[in-house]
Amino acid sequence: GAGVSQSPSNKVTEKGKDVELRCDPISGHTALYWYRQSLGQGLEFLIYFQGNSAPDKSGLPSDRFSAERTGGSVSTLTIQRTQQEDSAVYLCASSLEGTGYEQYFGPGTRLTVT
Amino acid sequence: AQKVTQAQTEISVVEKEDVTLDCVYETRDTTYYLFWYKQPPSGELVFLIRRNSFDEQNEISGRYSWNFQKSTSSFNFTITASQVVDSAVYFCALKGTYKYIFGTGTRLKVLA
Repeated sequence: GAGVSQSPSNKVTEKGKDVELRCDPISGHTALYWYRQSLGQGLEFLIYFQGNSAPDKSGLPSDRFSAERTGGSVSTLTIQRTQQEDSAVYLCASSLEGTGYEQYFGPGTRLTVT
Repeated sequence: AQKVTQAQTEISVVEKEDVTLDCVYETRDTTYYLFWYKQPPSGELVFLIRRNSFDEQNEISGRYSWNFQKSTSSFNFTITASQVVDSAVYFCALKGTYKYIFGTGTRLKVLA
């Protein structure tokens, strides 16, 4: 079946512009995570959507970052007024809800802010 | 609090050597799962294994084996007879009653 997809795969934007990154999780997966990975670094947690509960936004680095999940499926991560330090790969992962389920990761969106 | 520690930032071995990647975790949950993921140079993270907190049996899959010890809160990963294709970043993760917690990863370089 289809895995997690993300679009665009690459995004180059000018400093100060807004960007939207999209994630299509695996059908039926109610848990969705966004992570950020800078070059050669680990996974930085950004936000977690769990079913119908309020999302855990504790990892968002500033109020320029926001995310939505519509209809329990597609999610959009928005970065306003992008800065050069926002350059990274943004990864989305989904899983079935519950303790024991593994995450499935998308290929990521590489964001470059010039 | 939950935490996953991968103290080894980078390991280099010569092909055919055995290598063990360490993972130490902290959690107050009594029921939890531990995971290992592989991130090859191509970039996409791939799930390798899941182990629940009630099952301390070691697991072997081909050249890969995992040693889970609750007494030391460790979930170590051993690659036997390493190959160049094993070169990747390996992440250990913990899932309790809430969200996933990832370690910082260990970069494994297998030299031909």
